[in-house]
Amino acid sequence: SQQGEEDPQALSIQEGENATMNCSYKTSINNLQWYRQNSGRGLVHLILIRSNEREKHSGRLRVTLDTSKKSSSLLITASRAADTASYFCATDQYSGGGADGLTFGKGTHLIIQP
Amino acid sequence: TAGITQAPTSQILAAGRSMTLRCTQDMRHNAMYWYRQDLGLGLRLIHYSNTAGTTGKGEVPDGYSVSRANTDDFPLTLASAVPSQTSVYFCASSVLLAGEQFFGPGTRLTVL
Repeated sequence: SQQGEEDPQALSIQEGENATMNCSYKTSINNLQWYRQNSGRGLVHLILIRSNEREKHSGRLRVTLDTSKKSSSLLITASRAADTASYFCATDQYSGGGADGLTFGKGTHLIIQP
Repeated sequence: TAGITQAPTSQILAAGRSMTLRCTQDMRHNAMYWYRQDLGLGLRLIHYSNTAGTTGKGEVPDGYSVSRANTDDFPLTLASAVPSQTSVYFCASSVLLAGEQFFGPGTRLTVL
């Protein structure tokens, strides 16, 4: 079953505006990651935030994590046409035998209008 | 550096036939994964391996098998393909299980 769920499913904004995407998850995690996927390509890792961190920055990206609400947000500031892509959150998930890798959400499709 | 490669890029396969999707990484990563991506469903984990010689089942393992004879290669085999296995398949690797993953370019498989 899906661990992370992104919101909104699709987002269209003007170039230069900020884009915010949200992710909710269900079980306790050790870390949460965000990935980008350009059309027809593989996913590219953007940022990882650990459960004991509340905010992390990388260039124009800002990620927040609220473990009490089991949610995270990805903010892209000063968006560019090249930011057009699908964005996925992914959480680690542990079973009784150990880590089972990551579980991905269904993604937010972001369109930046020039 | 090649990173992680997949072959073939795309394939059309008749139902009932078998096929092996190849995945090779040159980063000496311990963990490797196979996902399928379907419209509206996101990425779903098929199988994973946290080190050479070991494999585990993901969310949707039925109809697929994997092997991990060495660190670099992680082939995915469909023993008898069915149309519901039409999808885009991504291989990925990471230093540690549940760490940052590096993805291959994908294989688009159509089963008719």
